[in-house]
Amino acid sequence: IQLTQSPSFLSTSVGDRVAITCRASQGINNYLAWYQQKPGRAPKLLIYAASTLQIGVPSRFSASGYGTEFTLTVNSLQPEDFATYYCQQLYDYPHIFGQGTKLEIK
Amino acid sequence: EAQLVQSGAEVKTPGESLKISCEGSGYDFSSHWIAWVRQMPGKGLEWMGIIYPSDSDTKYNPSFQGHVTISADISITTAYLKWSSLQASDTAMYYCVRRGRSPMVMDVWGNGTTVTVSS
Repeated sequence: IQLTQSPSFLSTSVGDRVAITCRASQGINNYLAWYQQKPGRAPKLLIYAASTLQIGVPSRFSASGYGTEFTLTVNSLQPEDFATYYCQQLYDYPHIFGQGTKLEIK
Repeated sequence: EAQLVQSGAEVKTPGESLKISCEGSGYDFSSHWIAWVRQMPGKGLEWMGIIYPSDSDTKYNPSFQGHVTISADISITTAYLKWSSLQASDTAMYYCVRRGRSPMVMDVWGNGTTVTVSS
């Protein structure tokens, strides 16, 4: 299974709404997770089962999708949201990650 | 609170062996899969493999199979990632991460271990 994440890079502003997509090469039901990683830090789980918000993650983060097309949306970007985001499929081994999307402040 | 604490940074020369560790606490270590993830400098996340500590059932990413060995010791709630012969291309940050009760969740990440391989 291959994951294609887009865009790879996004220049955006505080308060903007952004969407990141992750496309799987074959159906993975809802076995998809999203992570946020800041420089020098371990990744942090944001979303699992395609659309379930992890405890403690702000509600401006949301996600949707099933099968092969998935989307992570961040409403009203905050300064702390500028980071790199990865999707990961957990449907079949190996549990590969997408190549990442870096959000940068415009 | 569930926690994974990894061993400290390592500097090695090519050809040396190395074993890094990931100690779990605050949860039933034996009943949660533990995965290892590589991140090369400035690059993305790569899933290396996963182990179920209770019976040592292990799944490898074909890209890493034969080059690393994943193991676990439930008596000391620790998972390991081992190389028999390091290469310069093994220079990276390595994370361990716990799978939650659901197979859809990888919820607790270790702090990471930096491995530098240089002659």
